[in-house]
Amino acid sequence: EPEVTQTPSHQVTQMGQEVILRCVPISNHLYFYWYRQILGQKVEFLVSFYNNEISEKSEIFDDQFSVERPDGSNFTLKIRSTKLEDSAMYFCASSAGLVPDTQYFGPGTRLTVL
Amino acid sequence: TQLLEQSPQFLSIQEGENLTVYCNSSSVFSSLQWYRQEPGEGPVLLVTVVTGGEVKKLKRLTFQFGDARKDSSLHITAAQPGDTGLYLCAGAKDSNYQLIWGAGTKLIIKP
Repeated sequence: EPEVTQTPSHQVTQMGQEVILRCVPISNHLYFYWYRQILGQKVEFLVSFYNNEISEKSEIFDDQFSVERPDGSNFTLKIRSTKLEDSAMYFCASSAGLVPDTQYFGPGTRLTVL
Repeated sequence: TQLLEQSPQFLSIQEGENLTVYCNSSSVFSSLQWYRQEPGEGPVLLVTVVTGGEVKKLKRLTFQFGDARKDSSLHITAAQPGDTGLYLCAGAKDSNYQLIWGAGTKLIIKP
């Protein structure tokens, strides 16, 4: 069964450093998403991406964040200058279409900012 | 503010008992999804409900979408220790791409 994959599974970085989180969505999906989940808190939407551009973003997704689909398979989330409060699980998801099409989630990348 | 409130936040019961988890909102959603999440892993979809009043069954799990599409419930019959986990509801609205998430119900089934 097709699945969303994410790398790395765990990333440790120093405050102020740039990180890139990588995702390979399901191959025939057209919509891509990033969510994050701070330990013990709700899953929070960051951004959605369709047709090579951002379609929606939350207040969390400020100028420090960017997304890219550099080739036909990868979808990346870049955090330019990490802060302590960026420590969280970051989940990538993809869907074939808009609601009610299902969003399928990857296993997540645990980002720890020291 | 679009909030999804889940209740209870935590539930611990004996194997074989029945339980119901609720997901409520004052907002209307075009669809609602139930996920199960294990520690350190991503949410795994259980079901999507779309039509008001819709009922879907997945073995011992029964999901219902409220008539007004503002609430949903998950009922588990004869709970098993393997049902232990965090159950999350997430709603989608026509005009948005994002999912709005509940805080989850942590379920423990004791053998």
